[in-house]
Amino acid sequence: ETGVTQSPTHLIKTRGQQVTLRCSSQSGHNTVSWYQQALGQGPQFIFQYYREEENGRGNFPPRFSGLQFPNYSSELNVNALELDDSALYLCASSLVAGSGTGELFFGEGSRLTVL
Amino acid sequence: QQQVKQSPQSLIVQKGGISIINCAYENTAFDYFPWYQQFPGKGPALLIAIRPDVSEKKEGRFTISFNKSAKQFSLHIMDSQPGDSATYFCAASISNTGKLIFGQGTTLQVKP
Repeated sequence: ETGVTQSPTHLIKTRGQQVTLRCSSQSGHNTVSWYQQALGQGPQFIFQYYREEENGRGNFPPRFSGLQFPNYSSELNVNALELDDSALYLCASSLVAGSGTGELFFGEGSRLTVL
Repeated sequence: QQQVKQSPQSLIVQKGGISIINCAYENTAFDYFPWYQQFPGKGPALLIAIRPDVSEKKEGRFTISFNKSAKQFSLHIMDSQPGDSATYFCAASISNTGKLIFGQGTTLQVKP
């Protein structure tokens, strides 16, 4: 069973640039959720994708966008980077079945530094 | 109303002792309360979770106590071990949708 994998693991960008982060979900999982974890803080929900469509969004501006592909992998795109976007970006996959979502399985994250 | 407040921010416990971490919430629509463990450089991993229809859930050395009227829940780690040293996050969601609201985290250090 393959776990959640994220790439890249670390990256450095400058203000105003754009970044794309990638996530491969765990085998058999059909839902991907993205979280932002600032240093010393708990993860904050960005958005969730199910069946290639956004299925809920947290309190993040539109410059945070995403995609989910037919194989359930996902991308997180952030435009016009700001210094406060520096954080660990976590992807979590799960299986939506019935009325709820199963356990979230997190990847190890992509550490973004904005200079 | 969407916040989950966690305390303490950090905790030092001797090996064999009991570690207790507390969380409080406001939104009464929350009905799924997981605890996650995170080691440095790793993503969070689910430790144990509870729904509000029970007041306690135990898995090995880990126990969640839930007080629905007080809107509080806590994690108890019995016989704490140095390998338990990590950051612990409580969280809450509505109907286990995968859209979790996390607490601020507690860094636990278990001294040998």
